[in-house]
Amino acid sequence: DAGVIQSPRHEVTEMGQEVTLRCKPISGHNSLFWYRQTMMRGLELLIYFNNNVPIDDSGMPEDRFSAKMPNASFSTLKIQPSEPRDSAVYFCASSFRRDGKNIQYFGAGTRLSVL
Amino acid sequence: AQSVTQPDIHITVSEGASLELRCNYSYGATPYLFWYVQSPGQGLQLLLKYFSGDTLVQGIKGFEAEFKRSQSSFNLRKPSVHWSDAAEYFCAVGLNTDKLIFGTGTRLQVFP
Repeated sequence: DAGVIQSPRHEVTEMGQEVTLRCKPISGHNSLFWYRQTMMRGLELLIYFNNNVPIDDSGMPEDRFSAKMPNASFSTLKIQPSEPRDSAVYFCASSFRRDGKNIQYFGAGTRLSVL
Repeated sequence: AQSVTQPDIHITVSEGASLELRCNYSYGATPYLFWYVQSPGQGLQLLLKYFSGDTLVQGIKGFEAEFKRSQSSFNLRKPSVHWSDAAEYFCAVGLNTDKLIFGTGTRLQVFP
């Protein structure tokens, strides 16, 4: 399996621009997670989906952030408009729950720089 | 509230020395426990996991961890560290939902 695939790996944009991050989960997994990692705040869960339905978006910082999962093999995280404080590494992870046990597998991340 | 504490922000060891990274958790029920490793510029890779049963868990890259319920701990160990083990290590607790609670990480530096 190719693992969780994120694109792009690096994104540099200017303040005010729209940014879209993409994630392809591991085939067969039914949960998908978006995290943000910064030096100041560490690893934060932004939102997660189960069977393509958003379950918990309490970590989404504000209305500028939105996430979608139109099907089981694709998700996007969009920031509009972007701000310099959004600069971070964004990770996507996927998992499959079996017998109550759930293991998350992470993608390589997208490093976002907002100038 | 559930929480995970990694008290050591930064650890430095010599290559070949033994290693123990500490992890303590606060959770009302029996937790699911994980250790992940993150190399520079990379995502998090699962090292090992504990769900139930034997409290000493073996993982990849020669790592092991021991669940101690009485101490609410899940410390990671390796008998002999290699230079390639330099990375950041995260302990995590799995909740009854699908969510994980991560510690703040321990950065490991290895000197030759």
